[in-house]
Amino acid sequence: GAVVSQHPSRVICKSGTSVKIECRSLDFQATTMFWYRQFPKQSLMLMATSNEGSKATYEQGVEKDKFLINHASLTLSTLTVTSAHPEDSSFYICSARDGTSGNTIYFGEGSWLTVV
Amino acid sequence: KQEVTQIPAALSVPEGENLVLNCSFTDSAIYNLQWFRQDPGKGLTSLLLIQSSQREQTSGRLNASLDKSSGRSTLYIAASQPGDSATYLCAVRPSNDYKLSFGAGTTVTVRA
Repeated sequence: GAVVSQHPSRVICKSGTSVKIECRSLDFQATTMFWYRQFPKQSLMLMATSNEGSKATYEQGVEKDKFLINHASLTLSTLTVTSAHPEDSSFYICSARDGTSGNTIYFGEGSWLTVV
Repeated sequence: KQEVTQIPAALSVPEGENLVLNCSFTDSAIYNLQWFRQDPGKGLTSLLLIQSSQREQTSGRLNASLDKSSGRSTLYIAASQPGDSATYLCAVRPSNDYKLSFGAGTTVTVRA
């Protein structure tokens, strides 16, 4: 079946630095990808919708200048957390829409970010 | 705005008991509903997906029902095992979008 790969699966960064998380669709082209965030013991919350070749659409309350999303190709979207703070420590997970397979949505494995 | 609620938040049962997990949603205009499993520190594993036109889906010991008009879905896990211990999330996809709305999950512990 279709696979969405996320990298890195775990990352620790220092406060004030930036960290990039990649989301790749391995065997299909994803015109739309989604980024979610999950704080401990809470549900997944949609952060933004990433559209290939255009600007991402952010959900209310999500800082677009802090969470930079780039969808440069049909198989890759990146989320960059800029000037990370400890409160940005969370589980980030992406999903991708396969437009050729009934618009099925596939999830990546997720990335655990710890800011120290 | 779609609100998804999962009750109970946590559940502990002895091995062999059947599990019943509930999910309710406020907007019945859905495309499908999906149940996921999440192990601690891990990503999501899709368990069952029910299209809006379906009433239930089954996979092995798992059975999920959907009553779209009343905004409810139930996940049944038969003859629970310690390996079933995890957090179970339900997610709803609206009929006019691809953004999923997730419940907060039910954390299940199956005691040996």
